[in-house]
Amino acid sequence: AQSVTQLDSHVSVSEGTPVLLRCNYSSSYSPSLFWYVQHPNKGLQLLLKYTSAATLVKGINGFEAEFKKSETSFHLTKPSAHMSDAAEYFCVVSDGQGNTPLVFGKGTRLSVIA
Amino acid sequence: NAGVTQTPKFRVLKTGQSMTLLCAQDMNHEYMYWYRQDPGMGLRLIHYSVGEGTTAKGEVPDGYNVSRLKKQNFLLGLESAAPSQTSVYFCASSKRYEQYFGPGTRLTVT
Repeated sequence: AQSVTQLDSHVSVSEGTPVLLRCNYSSSYSPSLFWYVQHPNKGLQLLLKYTSAATLVKGINGFEAEFKKSETSFHLTKPSAHMSDAAEYFCVVSDGQGNTPLVFGKGTRLSVIA
Repeated sequence: NAGVTQTPKFRVLKTGQSMTLLCAQDMNHEYMYWYRQDPGMGLRLIHYSVGEGTTAKGEVPDGYNVSRLKKQNFLLGLESAAPSQTSVYFCASSKRYEQYFGPGTRLTVT
């Protein structure tokens, strides 16, 4: 069975400073991992995904994440936060064996201060 | 392509009433999912379908039923609504790993 833990429920950064959203996962198989973003009163949008290719994954809007099997982590980073990055971010794991449903973390709310 | 659409966008029900939420996708995806989102809980899977005519239970299936009579549609039914079912409901579809989400349905049960 898979599970995912987002280590911070809320992260606050100043505009122009780096963003780090932390995620640890548990999976019985080689997992697929995702980060989704949800802006207020909106649906979910895929930021990036890892599916057993390169361990450093680049996504949209300057975000990237690194898959570290030894640490069972998939942290999301961005060098410089923008006001428009303020949103809820979800780390998600899927069993890499097939099309099993996604398991979501509880989310991290990112606030960006001007 | 419209992607994934959900009907209705908002609904208020009284306890004990029934309703059906409709999800439609035009991407010819085999897999479809229904999630609910509650504050601080992330998204939790209610039911899913791996193809036309098939359905399976997710993490929180109690109080809900689903049907997938056509490949492009996935219906979520509440037979007797309860206040605990007040939530935002998201439908998604996928071909392999990446899921595409609808805009959500905000349901309030009073």
